[in-house]
Amino acid sequence: GENVEQHPSTLSVQEGDSAVIKCTYSDSASNYFPWYKQELGKRPQLIIDIRSNVGEKKDQRIAVTLNKTAKHFSLHITETQPEDSAVYFCAASMFTNAGKSTFGDGTTLTVKP
Amino acid sequence: DAGVTQSPTHLIKTRGQQVTLRCSPKSGHDTVSWYQQALGQGPQFIFQYYEEEERQRGNFPDRFSGHQFPNYSSELNVNALLLGDSALYLCASSLAMGPGDSDTQYFGPGTRLTVL
Repeated sequence: GENVEQHPSTLSVQEGDSAVIKCTYSDSASNYFPWYKQELGKRPQLIIDIRSNVGEKKDQRIAVTLNKTAKHFSLHITETQPEDSAVYFCAASMFTNAGKSTFGDGTTLTVKP
Repeated sequence: DAGVTQSPTHLIKTRGQQVTLRCSPKSGHDTVSWYQQALGQGPQFIFQYYEEEERQRGNFPDRFSGHQFPNYSSELNVNALLLGDSALYLCASSLAMGPGDSDTQYFGPGTRLTVL
């Protein structure tokens, strides 16, 4: 089955700096890669996703890049703010069934004011 | 437009007992997936229901079972509870094979299960 590894497990940055979180996946059949933000005690919320026919996607301060050959994808957050502090999860699945996703173990991002 | 809802919010059980968790999908969604999230880890896929049948299953024992009703809501049942079953149980809904953004899954708030 699919295996997703996520690094780093913790990340601390100064407000205004950029943050990068990286994930690798094992199953070349996976073609849908969402990122979720989970604040303490709350549900995971989708912040951005990318499909395998696209190499990069951007939404304001957030961007995701995908390298299908190397089987890795990354989340980039620019101009970080204290409210970006949360646990971020990457996931991999088939586009036709995002409901069966394999998740990484998460990255705890702390943005210091 | 109601999002994904789950009940109860919290639950405390003892070892060996049985538990039933409930989920109502987002309006318009027909597929429900269940995940177990242990403390400090990412959600792990338990199983998925579509058209009232188990469509996919992860690496969980038969103690974990489920059901989907004609209105697309779903239940997760866990028998013979173990201490290790303590976790946040998340339900997520999506639309099967739909167009556009239908591949996105939306999570409910979860049920925190504590097994003593």
